[in-house]
Amino acid sequence: DVKVTQSSRYLVKRTGEKVFLECVQDMDHENMFWYRQDPGLGLRLIYFSYDVKMKEKGDIPEGYSVSREKKERFSLILESASTNQTSMYLCASSPSGTGQQFFGPGTRLTVL
Amino acid sequence: QKEVEQNSGPLSVPEGAIASLNCTYSDRGSQSFFWYRQYSGKSPELIMFIYSNGDKEDGRFTAQLNKASQYVSLLIRDSQPSDSATYLCAVNGDTGGFKTIFGAGTRLFVKA
Repeated sequence: DVKVTQSSRYLVKRTGEKVFLECVQDMDHENMFWYRQDPGLGLRLIYFSYDVKMKEKGDIPEGYSVSREKKERFSLILESASTNQTSMYLCASSPSGTGQQFFGPGTRLTVL
Repeated sequence: QKEVEQNSGPLSVPEGAIASLNCTYSDRGSQSFFWYRQYSGKSPELIMFIYSNGDKEDGRFTAQLNKASQYVSLLIRDSQPSDSATYLCAVNGDTGGFKTIFGAGTRLFVKA
Protein backbone atom coordinates (compact mmCIF):
# COMPACT_ATOMS: atom_id res chain seq x y z
CA ASP A 1 0.00 0.00 0.00
CA VAL A 2 1.09 3.53 -0.75
CA LYS A 3 1.88 5.40 2.39
CA VAL A 4 2.02 9.16 2.55
CA THR A 5 2.73 10.69 5.92
CA GLN A 6 2.59 14.28 7.09
CA SER A 7 4.57 15.68 10.00
CA SER A 8 1.64 16.96 12.05
CA ARG A 9 -2.11 16.36 12.20
CA TYR A 10 -2.83 19.62 14.00
CA LEU A 11 -0.74 22.76 14.21
CA VAL A 12 -1.38 26.14 15.82
CA LYS A 13 0.88 29.05 14.90
CA ARG A 14 0.91 32.79 15.39
CA THR A 15 0.70 35.42 12.67
CA GLY A 16 4.13 36.13 11.20
CA GLU A 17 5.69 32.81 12.20
CA LYS A 18 7.51 30.67 9.64
CA VAL A 19 5.78 27.33 9.29
CA PHE A 20 7.15 24.09 7.88
CA LEU A 21 4.90 21.25 6.79
CA GLU A 22 6.60 18.04 5.79
CA CYS A 23 5.40 15.17 3.67
CA VAL A 24 7.04 11.81 3.07
CA GLN A 25 6.00 9.05 0.67
CA ASP A 26 7.38 5.53 0.55
CA MET A 27 6.41 4.40 -2.96
CA ASP A 28 9.12 6.04 -5.04
CA HIS A 29 6.57 8.29 -6.79
CA GLU A 30 7.95 10.96 -9.07
CA ASN A 31 5.22 13.51 -8.50
CA MET A 32 4.27 15.19 -5.24
CA PHE A 33 1.68 17.86 -4.53
CA TRP A 34 0.54 20.29 -1.87
CA TYR A 35 -3.12 21.30 -1.68
CA ARG A 36 -5.23 23.26 0.70
CA GLN A 37 -8.86 22.39 1.29
CA ASP A 38 -11.40 24.91 2.52
CA PRO A 39 -15.17 24.50 2.93
CA GLY A 40 -16.98 25.49 -0.24
CA LEU A 41 -13.75 25.95 -2.20
CA GLY A 42 -12.67 22.36 -2.60
CA LEU A 43 -9.09 21.30 -3.16
CA ARG A 44 -6.75 23.94 -4.52
CA LEU A 45 -3.24 23.19 -5.76
CA ILE A 46 -0.49 25.23 -4.15
CA TYR A 47 2.66 23.68 -5.66
CA PHE A 48 3.73 20.44 -7.24
CA SER A 49 7.02 18.75 -7.99
CA TYR A 50 7.79 16.23 -10.72
CA ASP A 51 11.37 15.48 -9.71
CA VAL A 52 13.96 16.23 -7.05
CA LYS A 53 14.70 19.96 -6.86
CA MET A 54 11.99 20.66 -9.48
CA LYS A 55 8.89 22.60 -8.54
CA GLU A 56 6.01 24.26 -10.31
CA LYS A 57 3.45 26.75 -9.07
CA GLY A 58 -0.12 25.64 -8.79
CA ASP A 59 -3.18 27.82 -8.66
CA ILE A 60 -2.54 29.58 -5.34
CA PRO A 61 1.23 29.77 -4.68
CA GLU A 62 1.26 33.23 -3.10
CA GLY A 63 2.60 33.19 0.44
CA TYR A 64 4.02 29.67 0.09
CA SER A 65 7.26 28.06 -1.01
CA VAL A 66 8.32 24.43 -1.32
CA SER A 67 11.41 22.31 -1.17
CA ARG A 68 12.16 18.88 -2.58
CA GLU A 69 15.71 17.83 -1.78
CA LYS A 70 14.97 14.09 -1.77
CA LYS A 71 12.55 12.13 -3.91
CA GLU A 72 10.49 10.93 -0.98
CA ARG A 73 10.14 14.26 0.81
CA PHE A 74 8.26 17.40 -0.14
CA SER A 75 8.07 20.35 2.22
CA LEU A 76 5.68 23.28 2.24
CA ILE A 77 6.85 26.50 3.82
CA LEU A 78 4.73 29.41 4.92
CA GLU A 79 7.26 32.24 5.05
CA SER A 80 5.14 34.48 7.29
CA ALA A 81 1.91 32.86 8.37
CA SER A 82 -1.29 34.86 8.11
CA THR A 83 -4.79 34.16 9.40
CA ASN A 84 -6.08 33.54 5.87
CA GLN A 85 -3.73 30.57 5.66
CA THR A 86 -5.76 28.75 8.29
CA SER A 87 -6.81 25.62 6.43
CA MET A 88 -6.46 21.87 5.96
CA TYR A 89 -3.22 21.13 4.08
CA LEU A 90 -3.05 17.91 2.10
CA CYS A 91 0.00 16.34 0.55
CA ALA A 92 -0.29 13.79 -2.24
CA SER A 93 2.02 11.69 -4.34
CA SER A 94 1.48 10.17 -7.76
CA PRO A 95 3.30 7.82 -10.12
CA SER A 96 4.42 9.67 -13.22
CA GLY A 97 1.87 9.86 -16.03
CA THR A 98 -1.07 8.26 -14.21
CA GLY A 99 -2.76 11.18 -12.52
CA GLN A 100 -3.70 8.87 -9.66
CA GLN A 101 -3.02 10.68 -6.43
CA PHE A 102 -2.51 9.22 -2.97
CA PHE A 103 -3.09 11.57 -0.10
CA GLY A 104 -1.56 11.91 3.32
CA PRO A 105 -3.79 12.33 6.39
CA GLY A 106 -3.65 16.13 6.24
CA THR A 107 -2.48 18.86 8.59
CA ARG A 108 -5.08 21.19 10.04
CA LEU A 109 -3.25 24.48 10.50
CA THR A 110 -4.68 27.30 12.57
CA VAL A 111 -3.00 30.69 12.44
CA LEU A 112 -3.94 32.99 15.30
CA GLN B 1 -10.78 28.68 -16.43
CA LYS B 2 -11.03 24.90 -16.42
CA GLU B 3 -13.83 23.69 -14.22
CA VAL B 4 -15.25 20.52 -12.75
CA GLU B 5 -18.83 20.79 -11.57
CA GLN B 6 -20.65 18.57 -9.12
CA ASN B 7 -23.95 18.90 -7.31
CA SER B 8 -23.03 19.56 -3.69
CA GLY B 9 -25.93 17.49 -2.36
CA PRO B 10 -26.58 16.04 0.04
CA LEU B 11 -27.77 13.08 -1.97
CA SER B 12 -29.76 10.82 0.28
CA VAL B 13 -30.48 7.19 -0.68
CA PRO B 14 -31.85 4.23 1.30
CA GLU B 15 -29.60 1.32 2.16
CA GLY B 16 -29.44 -1.17 -0.70
CA ALA B 17 -30.31 1.38 -3.40
CA ILE B 18 -28.14 2.62 -6.25
CA ALA B 19 -26.47 5.97 -5.65
CA SER B 20 -25.71 7.96 -8.79
CA LEU B 21 -23.15 10.76 -8.60
CA ASN B 22 -22.54 13.05 -11.54
CA CYS B 23 -19.83 15.37 -12.71
CA THR B 24 -19.28 17.62 -15.73
CA TYR B 25 -16.02 19.17 -16.87
CA SER B 26 -15.19 22.06 -19.14
CA ASP B 27 -11.86 21.08 -20.73
CA ARG B 28 -12.63 19.00 -23.79
CA GLY B 29 -8.97 17.90 -23.92
CA SER B 30 -9.15 16.15 -20.54
CA GLN B 31 -7.64 12.71 -20.60
CA SER B 32 -8.10 10.99 -17.28
CA PHE B 33 -10.87 10.97 -14.74
CA PHE B 34 -11.00 10.00 -11.10
CA TRP B 35 -13.36 9.54 -8.20
CA TYR B 36 -12.18 10.07 -4.65
CA ARG B 37 -14.08 9.32 -1.46
CA GLN B 38 -13.57 11.57 1.53
CA TYR B 39 -14.97 10.74 4.93
CA SER B 40 -15.58 13.61 7.31
CA GLY B 41 -12.30 14.75 8.87
CA LYS B 42 -10.23 12.45 6.66
CA SER B 43 -8.23 12.88 3.48
CA PRO B 44 -9.45 11.88 0.00
CA GLU B 45 -9.00 8.25 -1.06
CA LEU B 46 -8.85 7.19 -4.70
CA ILE B 47 -11.62 4.69 -5.45
CA MET B 48 -11.98 4.69 -9.25
CA PHE B 49 -10.24 5.94 -12.35
CA ILE B 50 -11.26 5.81 -16.00
CA TYR B 51 -9.39 6.84 -19.10
CA SER B 52 -11.65 5.90 -22.02
CA ASN B 53 -15.30 6.22 -22.95
CA GLY B 54 -17.69 3.69 -21.53
CA ASP B 55 -18.10 1.92 -18.22
CA LYS B 56 -15.57 0.57 -15.78
CA GLU B 57 -16.69 -1.67 -12.94
CA ASP B 58 -14.92 -2.47 -9.69
CA GLY B 59 -16.98 -4.34 -7.13
CA ARG B 60 -20.03 -2.24 -6.22
CA PHE B 61 -18.64 0.80 -8.05
CA THR B 62 -19.08 1.67 -11.73
CA ALA B 63 -17.51 4.70 -13.34
CA GLN B 64 -19.02 5.97 -16.57
CA LEU B 65 -17.36 8.35 -19.00
CA ASN B 66 -18.87 10.19 -21.95
CA LYS B 67 -16.26 12.49 -23.48
CA ALA B 68 -18.62 13.84 -26.12
CA SER B 69 -20.95 15.13 -23.39
CA GLN B 70 -18.03 15.93 -21.03
CA TYR B 71 -19.71 13.91 -18.35
CA VAL B 72 -18.46 11.46 -15.74
CA SER B 73 -20.56 9.53 -13.28
CA LEU B 74 -20.11 7.11 -10.41
CA LEU B 75 -22.70 4.48 -9.58
CA ILE B 76 -22.64 2.76 -6.21
CA ARG B 77 -24.76 -0.39 -6.14
CA ASP B 78 -26.21 -1.84 -2.95
CA SER B 79 -25.35 1.34 -1.06
CA GLN B 80 -24.31 0.88 2.55
CA PRO B 81 -24.28 3.38 5.44
CA SER B 82 -20.48 3.10 5.30
CA ASP B 83 -20.63 4.68 1.84
CA SER B 84 -21.81 7.93 3.43
CA ALA B 85 -19.06 10.40 2.53
CA THR B 86 -18.21 13.21 0.16
CA TYR B 87 -17.28 12.05 -3.33
CA LEU B 88 -14.85 14.19 -5.31
CA CYS B 89 -14.70 14.07 -9.07
CA ALA B 90 -11.27 14.91 -10.50
CA VAL B 91 -10.16 15.52 -14.05
CA ASN B 92 -6.67 15.62 -15.46
CA GLY B 93 -5.91 17.36 -18.72
CA ASP B 94 -2.20 16.83 -19.22
CA THR B 95 -0.24 13.71 -20.08
CA GLY B 96 2.14 14.18 -17.16
CA GLY B 97 -0.65 13.88 -14.62
CA PHE B 98 0.33 17.11 -12.94
CA LYS B 99 -2.64 19.41 -13.17
CA THR B 100 -5.66 17.72 -11.69
CA ILE B 101 -8.78 19.77 -11.18
CA PHE B 102 -11.06 18.65 -8.40
CA GLY B 103 -14.75 19.27 -8.11
CA ALA B 104 -16.08 20.56 -4.81
CA GLY B 105 -17.68 17.19 -4.08
CA THR B 106 -21.10 15.65 -3.57
CA ARG B 107 -22.14 14.61 -0.08
CA LEU B 108 -23.79 11.20 -0.04
CA PHE B 109 -25.91 10.01 2.86
CA VAL B 110 -27.05 6.38 2.92
CA LYS B 111 -29.94 5.82 5.32
CA ALA B 112 -30.05 2.52 7.19
